[in-house]
Amino acid sequence: GAGVSQSPRYKVTKRGQDVALRCDPISGHVSLYWYRQALGQGPEFLTYFNYEAQQDKSGLPNDRFSAERPEGSISTLTIQRTEQRDSAMYRCASSLEGGTSTYEQYFGPGTRLTVT
Amino acid sequence: GQNIDQPTEMTATEGAIVQINCTYQTSGFNGLFWYQQHAGEAPTFLSYNVLDGLEEKGRFSSFLSRSKGYSYLLLKELQMKDSASYLCAVRDGTGGFKTIFGAGTRLFVKA
Repeated sequence: GAGVSQSPRYKVTKRGQDVALRCDPISGHVSLYWYRQALGQGPEFLTYFNYEAQQDKSGLPNDRFSAERPEGSISTLTIQRTEQRDSAMYRCASSLEGGTSTYEQYFGPGTRLTVT
Repeated sequence: GQNIDQPTEMTATEGAIVQINCTYQTSGFNGLFWYQQHAGEAPTFLSYNVLDGLEEKGRFSSFLSRSKGYSYLLLKELQMKDSASYLCAVRDGTGGFKTIFGAGTRLFVKA
């Protein structure tokens, strides 16, 4: 079946512009996570949704970052007034959760964001 | 605070056994994951431990000691394709299910 998809795969934007990154999770997956990953590092937690509810946004670096998942499926991570330090790989993951689940997170291919 | 420590790099020989250690200090604990990540690719799930002890899955085994804040991933019969980064991650159960990842251990398998 289809895995987690993200779009765009690559985004180059100028400093000060807003960007919206999309994540399409595996159908039926309850939980959705956003991460940022620097080269040579592990994923850094940004935010987590359970269905449409944003349960934890403690990893969002500042108020320029926001995320939504209005219908409990597709999610959008928005970065306003981008800065060069926002350049990174942004990854989305989804998880079935509950019952006998191992809470395994399935990761998407990521969006490589470059701010010039 | 939250801290996950694992060695930066390890090298092992094809056919051998390697153990990758992970220690953690987190405010909550609701399970520990190991993921494999090949260069330029997304992380893929290897194991999940929530109770103490050893979980075996083919050539890969994972061990957890909650009292010691310690886990290890054991890879047997190493193959060249096992060259990758191995990420230890803790599911923080306090107020949600935030997942904290370590920086990863880069494993090089040589012939």
